[in-house]
Amino acid sequence: DQQVKQNSPSLSVQEGRISILNCDYTNSMFDYFLWYKKYPAEGPTFLISISSIKDKNEDGRFTVFLNKSAKHLSLHIVPSQPGDSAVYFCAASVRGNNRLAFGKGNQVVVIP
Amino acid sequence: DTAVSQTPKYLVTQMGNDKSIKCEQNLGHDTMYWYKQDSKKFLKIMFSYNNKELIINETVPNRFSPKSPDKAHLNLHINSLELGDSAVYFCASSQVPGRLKETQYFGPGTRLLVL
Repeated sequence: DQQVKQNSPSLSVQEGRISILNCDYTNSMFDYFLWYKKYPAEGPTFLISISSIKDKNEDGRFTVFLNKSAKHLSLHIVPSQPGDSAVYFCAASVRGNNRLAFGKGNQVVVIP
Repeated sequence: DTAVSQTPKYLVTQMGNDKSIKCEQNLGHDTMYWYKQDSKKFLKIMFSYNNKELIINETVPNRFSPKSPDKAHLNLHINSLELGDSAVYFCASSQVPGRLKETQYFGPGTRLLVL
């Protein structure tokens, strides 16, 4: 049973435009959410996180939005750059609990 | 100055063999993890150690045995390898749960292929 779901497995976007990745979760106990970026043959790299007490967190070109009532979060990348081409994983946990539940990832391709 | 390192990066072996994967972190973290990424690309936690003590043990066959000689190292030993063990195994580390930053930092992965 996947507690974190990422549909639309791949996304192609023109350089300079916005990339929007979506993530849904089923466990209402989750209170900490993260996005990881993964290049081929490398491990996932932490990108940005958000606590459930917030509904938005911004870091440079990356913004994560959290809608607790809908159990939905999204990652916005703007402007998208070719170096953003990677697989993006959504993850969630209950604070104080080590267990990170991952989605299966979204492939993003940024076209120059 | 790699934060989380794993060796080997690639491992090809025959069914029935025993193999080990090593992991080291130099971040000063207390907690380390092993994840498995299967052919469907799901990342699933296998084990977690906090300061050399096992705190998470998911439903993993007992052919898999983690060993933590100190809090900077978490090795994974696999006995009697099976075809279904073929996957990418990631090591990760984080600070103690409950602290403000619980972000997990991942190693580059070990690609295991069992023939």
